[in-house]
Amino acid sequence: DAKTTQPTSMDCAEGRAANLPCNHSTISGNEYVYWYRQIHSQGPQYIIHGLKNNETNEMASLIITEDRKSSTLILPHATLRDTAVYYCIVRVARSSGGSNYKLTFGKGTLLTVNP
Amino acid sequence: DAGVTQSPTHLIKTRGQQVTLRCSPKSGHDTVSWYQQALGQGPQFIFQYYEEEERQRGNFPDRFSGHQFPNYSSELNVNALLLGDSALYLCASSLPTDRIHTDTQYFGPGTRLTVL
Repeated sequence: DAKTTQPTSMDCAEGRAANLPCNHSTISGNEYVYWYRQIHSQGPQYIIHGLKNNETNEMASLIITEDRKSSTLILPHATLRDTAVYYCIVRVARSSGGSNYKLTFGKGTLLTVNP
Repeated sequence: DAGVTQSPTHLIKTRGQQVTLRCSPKSGHDTVSWYQQALGQGPQFIFQYYEEEERQRGNFPDRFSGHQFPNYSSELNVNALLLGDSALYLCASSLPTDRIHTDTQYFGPGTRLTVL
């Protein structure tokens, strides 16, 4: 699986959009970009994933650049409860014939939402 | 719709002891993965079970073993506990992929193991 690079930490004001970047310059054509977050001492929470098109769900939006070498997770209106470590993970999907089932976590980005 | 559940929530053991952690997957899921998360680190993959067999294993010693039952629930066993085994143990469940969906993993709350 391709390696990802994320900033160690970011701050965001409550009510503003939080934009979390991720670089994955060695991504392959059949690798998806996944985002999870982990609030202190809880299990990681799935947020969103995508292949090459931008994706949106009730939690966030995922913007993937055309060359797929980077992506941005957008929380449109951050709240204090969004303070967490956010992980960007690149992984081959089973539907693409991959046989690597694991998620490889890095250190992620600690997002702190300030009042 | 019940999510992934794990038991116990917390556990304290001493070096050399053995421990069993339990996981029930999300309703409708049949695949279970286990991860270890040391303090300040991201989760590390231990292994995954599907159809009651281990089908992928991470870089963990044989002291770590598992089992999956016919109802898809799973156990993680750790023998001869070391101080370094103190961590949050996470279980994640997923569906095998069909041509539409990826096998997104959903995590439980974890079991905090402390080895003294």
